[in-house]
Amino acid sequence: AIQMTQSPSSLSASVGDRVTITCRASQGIRNDLGWYQQKPGKAPKLLIYAASSLQSGVPSRFSGSGSGTDFTLTISSLQPEDFATYYCLQDYNYLWTFGQGTKVEIK
Amino acid sequence: EVQLVESGGGLVQPGRSLRLSCAASGFTFDDYAMHWVRQAPGKGLEWVSGISWNSGSIGYADSVKGRFTISRDNAKNSLYLQMNSLRAEDTALYYCAKVMSPYYYDSSGYYLPDYWGQGTLVTVSS
Repeated sequence: AIQMTQSPSSLSASVGDRVTITCRASQGIRNDLGWYQQKPGKAPKLLIYAASSLQSGVPSRFSGSGSGTDFTLTISSLQPEDFATYYCLQDYNYLWTFGQGTKVEIK
Repeated sequence: EVQLVESGGGLVQPGRSLRLSCAASGFTFDDYAMHWVRQAPGKGLEWVSGISWNSGSIGYADSVKGRFTISRDNAKNSLYLQMNSLRAEDTALYYCAKVMSPYYYDSSGYYLPDYWGQGTLVTVSS
């Protein structure tokens, strides 16, 4: 199975900060990767698909990049509503795998 | 409006069985692959199983292979997860999820989940 290594596991940041989260795949997955935001007690929300495409309705401060094995989610200017846990998900084959998650906390 | 409503969770003893259901509405159910994803209390997301629009392709995580069975009834707009030989480590909130693109988009589609239900809680304990 493809392993997804996500880092960091947590980070503290202030409103207005630029935040970067990375995911590394154990093998090449083309651009078959998405990023999700999850808030406590809620289902995950799709932010980015195909590594860099912004899902409809998601603010443009969220962006994704990467291909092959290395991927990045960037929040250009962190807003109060962005404090949450973020996950990457690969769908290269039918056996999906998630990253371990990154909890973004208020500094 | 897309709606996914899971049901069937509850408290069950180790070794017993449980069947989860997911009722779908607001989209053409039989055009989309569907998946189950779970989240243990305080832990991350774990993919459990997925099924194609016509049940022709099915996959399972190694952690549930041989114990869980995914199925769907397109006539009833419903997805199921039969869980046998349950273990304490199966305790989790179970979500059903719909993929972004219908099957006929083929290689030009996107197959990540875009809609999720609110989940049904399964607790395995004696």
